Amino acid sequence: GAVVSQHPSWVICKSGTSVKIECRSLDFQATTMFWYRQFPKQSLMLMATSNEGSKATYEQGVEKDKFLINHASLTLSTLTVTSAHPEDSSFYICSAEQTGNTEAFFGQGTRLTVV
Amino acid sequence: AQSVSQHNHHVILSEAASLELGCNYSYGGTVNLFWYVQYPGQHLQLLLKYFSGDPLVKGIKGFEAEFIKSKFSFNLRKPSVQWSDTAEYFCAFWTYNTDKLIFGTGTRLQVFP
Repeated sequence: GAVVSQHPSWVICKSGTSVKIECRSLDFQATTMFWYRQFPKQSLMLMATSNEGSKATYEQGVEKDKFLINHASLTLSTLTVTSAHPEDSSFYICSAEQTGNTEAFFGQGTRLTVV
Repeated sequence: AQSVSQHNHHVILSEAASLELGCNYSYGGTVNLFWYVQYPGQHLQLLLKYFSGDPLVKGIKGFEAEFIKSKFSFNLRKPSVQWSDTAEYFCAFWTYNTDKLIFGTGTRLQVFP
């Protein structure tokens, strides 16, 4: 199957700093990428949908100024958590869809810990 | 609101036991249904999917799932589990209306040799 690589796998940052997470589709072009957040023992919650070359669509309750998403190319989307706080600590997962294919391929996730 | 319910949060089985994980969704229209598996330390992988046609879907590694429209269910089954099936299993559905995957909370399966 198609491969989606997420980097870094884990990151620890100080409160108030910003953290960038990358999501790359390695062997296919992804017109649409999704960013999820997963709390312990809860389901994956969709944060936003990003389409290459356009602004991301954020789900209700997700602060677009805090979670900046950039999908500058067909193989790369980035999520930047700005001015991170301890409550932003979570597991962030990206997924990507091939053009015209509704099957999503997932990255391995990024464990963010804000101290 | 559209949602997915996975009733079993944690299942513990011995090898060779049969498995059935429940999944119910709430949506009255046409859905695409998925089961994803996440092995320890790895990313989510597609186990099987249902778009249309035969409601009994066979996936990888001997897993199958049956779509019962009247019950809004898409339960995952395997007749004989192996230690290597230890993982977290997520049910999800997608609709044209929302154009996004909605996930259940997941079921952690532990298989002991």
